[in-house]
Amino acid sequence: AQKITQTQPGMFVQEKEAVTLDCTYDTSDPSYGLFWYKQPSSGEMIFLIYQGSYDQQNATEGRYSLNFQKARKSANLVISASQLGDSAMYFCAMRGDTGRRALTFGSGTRLQVQP
Amino acid sequence: DTGVSQNPRHKITKRGQNVTFRCDPISEHNRLYWYRQTLGQGPEFLTYFQNEAQLEKSRLLSDRFSAERPKGSFSTLEIQRTEQGDSAMYLCASSLQDRGKGGYTFGSGTRLTVV
Repeated sequence: AQKITQTQPGMFVQEKEAVTLDCTYDTSDPSYGLFWYKQPSSGEMIFLIYQGSYDQQNATEGRYSLNFQKARKSANLVISASQLGDSAMYFCAMRGDTGRRALTFGSGTRLQVQP
Repeated sequence: DTGVSQNPRHKITKRGQNVTFRCDPISEHNRLYWYRQTLGQGPEFLTYFQNEAQLEKSRLLSDRFSAERPKGSFSTLEIQRTEQGDSAMYLCASSLQDRGKGGYTFGSGTRLTVV
């Protein structure tokens, strides 16, 4: 079984500052992938960043970076230089590389960027 | 190809009626997933197709729910005898592979309201 926990229902950040969204996970799969998605009010899930469990380096995609600490089973998303357009729901998700091929999502964090 | 398309975007139905949603995945994607998302929660897995074969169904998928993917192209999700608890956003996603970054592309969802 897989479980994703996001303990921050809501976060505020000032424009141009950095923010960290927390995510912890639990799985019995020896190999897995971790994802972050952004969901604006329009509803679509937008892929942000991916981290494989055996990747040696933390993933980065533009202003997004993933702080992966395997021993702590955490995969926090860091957004640098926040923009007003970053205001949205953010979901952490995982997929084991055996068994179920679908994503398991956390409950999300609503980020509000203030001017 | 412009992405994953879901129709209708919104559906309001009376309790007890049947509803059907359609998902058109990215044409070369052989994997298709249905998720349900209730307000304030992350998406929950419902079912998964590889080509036309339905490989997995969640326990969330009661016997009132049925999904098909004839010819491995578009998919339909039908809910019979709708209940108020079925009110949710129904998301469809498709992917070409399910290892590594395994790009899942999500549609914008169908928002169902049962009155």
